[in-house]
Amino acid sequence: DQQVKQNSPSLSVQEGRISILNCDYTNSMFDYFLWYKKYPAEGPTFLISISSIKDKNEDGRFTVFLNKSAKHLSLHIVPSQPGDSAVYFCAASRTDKLIFGTGTRLQVFP
Amino acid sequence: DTGVSQDPRHKITKRGQNVTFRCDPISEHNRLYWYRQTLGQGPEFLTYFQNEAQLEKSRLLSDRFSAERPKGSFSTLEIQRTEQGDSAMYLCASKKGHPNTEAFFGQGTRLTVV
Repeated sequence: DQQVKQNSPSLSVQEGRISILNCDYTNSMFDYFLWYKKYPAEGPTFLISISSIKDKNEDGRFTVFLNKSAKHLSLHIVPSQPGDSAVYFCAASRTDKLIFGTGTRLQVFP
Repeated sequence: DTGVSQDPRHKITKRGQNVTFRCDPISEHNRLYWYRQTLGQGPEFLTYFQNEAQLEKSRLLSDRFSAERPKGSFSTLEIQRTEQGDSAMYLCASKKGHPNTEAFFGQGTRLTVV
């Protein structure tokens, strides 16, 4: 069973606009959520995280929102840049073991 | 470079052969994780260590897979009698033992079983 779901396999956004990537989870015991970015043939790179006691965390152009009642989190990238083009994975954790979604491929075009 | 290091980056092996991968974590990180990623999927948890103790193994880790972390430093992942279904990217990650801290990944080992 897929405990962490990213239902949009791809997203295309114009440079300068907002990118919104979504993630849903099923296990209410998850208490820590992360977003990773991955380029081809490389390992995932940590972007931003949020604890379940918060509903928002911001770091520069990246903001993560957590809606615990809906078991939903989202990553906002503003403004989007061509260098943001990559696959984005959300991950959830309860006992320090990360459970990943299947990823969303973001393409930012000029 | 003080990041997570994995060796080799690529491995091609014939079906039935044994392979071993190495991971060197960030030096002050006492937790070390192995994940496997196949095309179109997110990384799937295989196993993890706290120092030298292997704390959890996934059901994905069949009897042909074994992982070690002697002395709580580097780790090895061995696959015996490889099968074509073992072809994947094998990722290692490490983190500090504090709760709710991020894990840092290596660049992975791409295994191709022919």
